Amino acid sequence: GDSVTQMEGPVTLSEEAFLTINCTYTATGYPSLFWYVQYPGEGLQLLLKATKADDKGSNKGFEATYRKETTSFHLEKGSVQVSDSAVYFCALSDRNDYKLSFGAGTTVTVRA
Amino acid sequence: GAVVSQHPSRVICKSGTSVKIECRSLDFQATTMFWYRQFPKQSLMLMATSNEGSKATYEQGVEKDKFLINHASLTLSTLTVTSAHPEDSSFYICSARDLAGGAQPQHFGDGTRLSIL
Repeated sequence: GDSVTQMEGPVTLSEEAFLTINCTYTATGYPSLFWYVQYPGEGLQLLLKATKADDKGSNKGFEATYRKETTSFHLEKGSVQVSDSAVYFCALSDRNDYKLSFGAGTTVTVRA
Repeated sequence: GAVVSQHPSRVICKSGTSVKIECRSLDFQATTMFWYRQFPKQSLMLMATSNEGSKATYEQGVEKDKFLINHASLTLSTLTVTSAHPEDSSFYICSARDLAGGAQPQHFGDGTRLSIL
């Protein structure tokens, strides 16, 4: 079945540092890929998405590119802020039933 | 944008109590809603898929009689944790699929923190 493997955390960074969270996936078809962010005590918010190979999703300074050849969707941000402290989930969706398969989540803490 | 309201946000109750959690799509119709459970510092585990007007589809290992799901309208699904015990304490999150489609596969509620004493 479909699955997502993402880099385990926690990750602690200083403000303005570069952030990378690795994500790889296994899927039988051609899934859509997502990054979700969860702030403490809240639900999930969609951060960015990509629906086909070589698509680049971007939002709030975060980027991720759908790489079919390496089955990856790594999340990057060039200069993080304290407000980026959260848990980040990589996910894929089967287009047929729209179910989401989530990675384990990566906790990111940015220190001033 | 699409909004999913989940209520209550937090529940603390005694062991043996049944607890109902509501999930509403506020500005769109949802034929399909999903219920997740999230343990501390872990990922979301899909419990069941709720379809309006039909029985929910439960994931393997989820007790149907323990977690009752009702999807009575295109904007409301409820999860009832029956005779809750401390091991049922968790963060429960619902999501909804927009009938009209759209870019997102699911829109998420803010979750319900359930604590059973």
